[in-house]
Amino acid sequence: AQKVTQAQTEISVVEKEDVTLDCVYETRDTTYYLFWYKQPPSGELVFLIRRNSFDEQNEISGRYSWNFQKSTSSFNFTITASQVVDSAVYFCALSGAWRSNYQLIWGAGTKLIIKP
Amino acid sequence: DTGVSQDPRHKITKRGQNVTFRCDPISEHNRLYWYRQTLGQGPEFLTYFQNEAQLEKSRLLSDRFSAERPKGSFSTLEIQRTEQGDSAMYLCASSPHGGGGVITEAFFGQGTRLTVV
Repeated sequence: AQKVTQAQTEISVVEKEDVTLDCVYETRDTTYYLFWYKQPPSGELVFLIRRNSFDEQNEISGRYSWNFQKSTSSFNFTITASQVVDSAVYFCALSGAWRSNYQLIWGAGTKLIIKP
Repeated sequence: DTGVSQDPRHKITKRGQNVTFRCDPISEHNRLYWYRQTLGQGPEFLTYFQNEAQLEKSRLLSDRFSAERPKGSFSTLEIQRTEQGDSAMYLCASSPHGGGGVITEAFFGQGTRLTVV
C-alpha cells in the first residue's frame, strides 16, 4: 500500500531561520513520483516540485531545496532564510507511475508558521 | 486568469438539499480531477476524467455523488441529499497529458467550501 507520512503537524520559527519539513513515504512501486504542494490561507494548492524515483539529485530553487533519499524513503523540504510569506500548510504527495497522477496519495500536511 | 476556476467559492446548504459545483480547468489540459479536503487533512481523491471520459471513481464517492465533464472542458460535481458529513472543501485540479507515461503535476483551483447545516 502507498502511504505518505508528515510527522510534523506544526512548526513555528522566527523569520530568517532555516526550517526543514519531513516527508516519509511507503510504496511498492519501483517507479513513482513525489510532489510538494503549498496551501496558503487562501486555500489554493500551489505546486512546488515533482521528482521521479530515478532522479535522486537534490534540487534547489531559490530559498527552497529538496533532499530525496531513496534509502530512507524520504523527500524532505528545506526553506532557507524563511519569510513570513512562507507561512502555509505544506503537503507531500506520492503517485505511482503506471497510472495517471489522479490518485495522488497525500500526507496530512505540516503547518508552517513564520513569526516576524 | 488562465488558472483553474471553481464556482461557487462557498456554499451553505440545508441537509437533504442537492448542490452542484462547477470547475473550469486550464484550457489545454485534458485531465481533470476532483478531490475533497477536510480540516487538518490532505486532499482525498474522488474522481478523474480524461477528456469527457470518467476513468476512475474513488470508493469515497457514494451514489449520492455524480460528476460529469460533458464536452471534455468544464466539469460539474453534484451531491444529492446532502449530509453533514459532506461538509468539506471540494477541490478541482487539471493537468496536461504527460506523454510516454510521464506523470505531470496537477494545478488546483481555490476550491468550493461546502457547509451542510
